[in-house]
Amino acid sequence: QKEVEQDPGPLSVPEGAIVSLNCTYSNSAFQYFMWYRQYSRKGPELLMYTYSSGNKEDGRFTAQVDKSSKYISLFIRDSQPSDSATYLCATINRGYLSGTYKYIFGTGTRLKVLA
Amino acid sequence: ETGVTQTPRHLVMGMTNKKSLKCEQHLGHNAMYWYKQSAKKPLELMFVYSLEERVENNSVPSRFSPECPNSSHLFLHLHTLQPEDSALYLCASSLYNEQFFGPGTRLTVL
Repeated sequence: QKEVEQDPGPLSVPEGAIVSLNCTYSNSAFQYFMWYRQYSRKGPELLMYTYSSGNKEDGRFTAQVDKSSKYISLFIRDSQPSDSATYLCATINRGYLSGTYKYIFGTGTRLKVLA
Repeated sequence: ETGVTQTPRHLVMGMTNKKSLKCEQHLGHNAMYWYKQSAKKPLELMFVYSLEERVENNSVPSRFSPECPNSSHLFLHLHTLQPEDSALYLCASSLYNEQFFGPGTRLTVL
């Protein structure tokens, strides 16, 4: 079983729709969860960062963690064509070296918001 | 821009060439990473450097050779690559548990 599973999509939605992106993870010890956004021909950029369970909101974006079902979600309200990108979920575990962390990424979901 | 730069942005090389990828960060971070990103696969961690120590993914072929002369610079030396090595190579740096990525080098091996 993969440590983090994510549907690769693509997911196409009309402008203004609410988008729901999801990942599942296998290790109940994971505590930190991230969402990265990656535009075409660019590196991933950190979008949201949450610790443990609950919701975190930032503008049109809401990250949600349900530790009981090992499920993490990213909601985008009032989606815009500029939100079209690949969204990667990630979690971290203690790294091999002092001061580093092992990032475990999903495959990424390609989102296309149609004007 | 996140403060992590990578050069070149695009590279096309033959299987017998030797080339190097460069990464630079001016964020004061103490750890740097090389990742490989292929279509429809999760990011694959290749190498980690922290405070002059190195950890590598044992599945990375020896034709990839990293070098980290200081905490701000990271290189990936490439030699006798194979076509399946074509991918986006991403550098990242971190301080504590937030990683910041560079824009990547799109590598094509002919």
